[in-house]
Amino acid sequence: DVKVTQSSRYLVKRTGEKVFLECVQDMDHENMFWYRQDPGLGLRLIYFSYDVKMKEKGDIPEGYSVSREKKERFSLILESASTNQTSMYLCASSKPTGDGPGELFFGEGSRLTVL
Amino acid sequence: AQSVSQHNHHVILSEAASLELGCNYSYGGTVNLFWYVQYPGQHLQLLLKYFSGDPLVKGIKGFEAEFIKSKFSFNLRKPSVQWSDTAEYFCAVNRNSGYSTLTFGKGTMLLVSP
Repeated sequence: DVKVTQSSRYLVKRTGEKVFLECVQDMDHENMFWYRQDPGLGLRLIYFSYDVKMKEKGDIPEGYSVSREKKERFSLILESASTNQTSMYLCASSKPTGDGPGELFFGEGSRLTVL
Repeated sequence: AQSVSQHNHHVILSEAASLELGCNYSYGGTVNLFWYVQYPGQHLQLLLKYFSGDPLVKGIKGFEAEFIKSKFSFNLRKPSVQWSDTAEYFCAVNRNSGYSTLTFGKGTMLLVSP
């Protein structure tokens, strides 16, 4: 069965702290994505990666960075957490098709609270 | 940039009522279309998708959606909802291109009362 695992379900951090959110997929997917989900705003794309060591900015990359050193792992980094980054963070992966990212498989999410 | 609009943020229905959730997108070219569902406490999962072919697409749990190209719409329907359909539903679109990404709507929260 397809699995995307996010390392932390719930995190509480203080303003200014560095935060790492880890995501691992076991499906040998080339594509990986980080979204944030906020009530009334839906899912917004932060960063994505189509291959190892490759990364592209999504719609809201400010305040975030990512790392993809291995195919199965995609990390989201908040260099200096701020209260407006309190959110649910969703990792997803997919196998690319010739005409798009294909079906996305999502992890269960990491709920981050920044105090 | 492409955008996705879901008409209703909250929908409340009684069991056995019929459901239609609206979705419109802005991109004028060829697109792939998806509906995802998030049940309470669970991860997002695919409900159905349209890539090409028959514009009436059938998904899991009795859901279907119709792609109407002239209206830039991909509405989700179910003839008779159940309490277990209570969930948040997201419409998503990507341009038909190798390196495109998925753009999601803001979601519709469906509450089905028994």
